[in-house]
Amino acid sequence: IAGITQAPTSQILAAGRRMTLRCTQDMRHNAMYWYRQDLGLGLRLIHYSNTAGTTGKGEVPDGYSVSRANTDDFPLTLASAVPSQTSVYFCASSVTGGKGKAFFGQGTRLTVV
Amino acid sequence: KQEVTQIPAALSVPEGENLVLNCSFTDSAIYNLQWFRQDPGKGLTSLLLIQSSQREQTSGRLNASLDKSSGRSTLYIAASQPGDSATYLCAVILGGATNKLIFGTGTLLAVQP
Repeated sequence: IAGITQAPTSQILAAGRRMTLRCTQDMRHNAMYWYRQDLGLGLRLIHYSNTAGTTGKGEVPDGYSVSRANTDDFPLTLASAVPSQTSVYFCASSVTGGKGKAFFGQGTRLTVV
Repeated sequence: KQEVTQIPAALSVPEGENLVLNCSFTDSAIYNLQWFRQDPGKGLTSLLLIQSSQREQTSGRLNASLDKSSGRSTLYIAASQPGDSATYLCAVILGGATNKLIFGTGTLLAVQP
């Protein structure tokens, strides 16, 4: 089934630990995004990539890093997790130029304790 | 800075009623606008995408309009059903090379049987 796959679905993580959230799409979309969703704050953009090999910072990039080695994969890394990074994380993709709909994964629920 | 606002934050209607959800944005220099649906604990599903040059888009019982000059979009749902109960989010994509989606905080819709 075409779409976006995120892993893991949920995770409890000790503060200070490093973690990578995985995101893979099979639609050959050039643009990919990472958002976090928090109650009362909505969806906020963490990082984005317009094409393989390039990345950019979103609204809340601190404490997160991304890489885009190929078209399909866009992992998000928390170098040293803190409790304020407890959130639901969504990966999304779209064609570039804003011409097409954005497709979202099912999310990763992360709790940092 | 682009800000996207959705009013009301929550809405409860009886089954069969027609309803309108509102979305406003502060910067009219958008490339397109999308309406999404989110069910509890799930990812986002794109419902309608309106390009900046368009005035409206229709899909089944859904009709979305866009007025760039006034910074407003509406999502009209005809003959609402209990299955329409969900959170509805609008998002604008900024012009230029960024392809960033900026989200509103959503309207939680409950359709009572």
